[in-house]
Amino acid sequence: ETGVTQTPRHLVMGMTNKKSLKCEQHLGHNAMYWYKQSAKKPLELMFVYNFKEQTENNSVPSRFSPECPNSSHLFLHLHTLQPEDSALYLCASSPTGFGEQFFGPGTRLTVL
Amino acid sequence: QKEVEQNSGPLSVPEGAIASLNCTYSDRGSQSFFWYRQYSGKSPELIMFIYSNGDKEDGRFTAQLNKASQYVSLLIRDSQPSDSATYLCAVNEDNQFYFGTGTSLTVIP
Repeated sequence: ETGVTQTPRHLVMGMTNKKSLKCEQHLGHNAMYWYKQSAKKPLELMFVYNFKEQTENNSVPSRFSPECPNSSHLFLHLHTLQPEDSALYLCASSPTGFGEQFFGPGTRLTVL
Repeated sequence: QKEVEQNSGPLSVPEGAIASLNCTYSDRGSQSFFWYRQYSGKSPELIMFIYSNGDKEDGRFTAQLNKASQYVSLLIRDSQPSDSATYLCAVNEDNQFYFGTGTSLTVIP
């Protein structure tokens, strides 16, 4: 198991629900990331935080809202999602914004 | 649109053979290159990274980078059934990471 943890591991939600995904890294890294992984598609980078500051937002719909209260914690707040948002959501951390990334186990999200 | 291309496979090799995985990328500005292994139902785990042209070896794994031809490859020597997984290639440019769709490798005992 890596030094990056994610909760919950599985989540089923309706389109009108609000939920949050949590990520925590115990590696002392300065950068954290949210990715979406859908079947047959490449990993899609959603958000990047360096030293708690958001540095990238890759045209992600506003129904996904990230929050980084400190360099060890990262949240992804979800509201009014669509069924096509069902995917594996992965959190990763990196010592810097350019180097190797370490992934958490992911949250398998299903939107009904 | 920056692209990272990988043959989706499946690639099958017998146990003990060398598995060769290839990746091409579209942007010459790419600065660093990574190989991840992803078992079914699991998250990606880092195998190797390479920044400079040439070869980099780590145990049974060798990463090869050719920036002029814009490809990066991963060789797995003495392949084992436990190497059966999907291998993801990733490139970094200006704090952006781009992933390929992955190559599925099966090592046959």
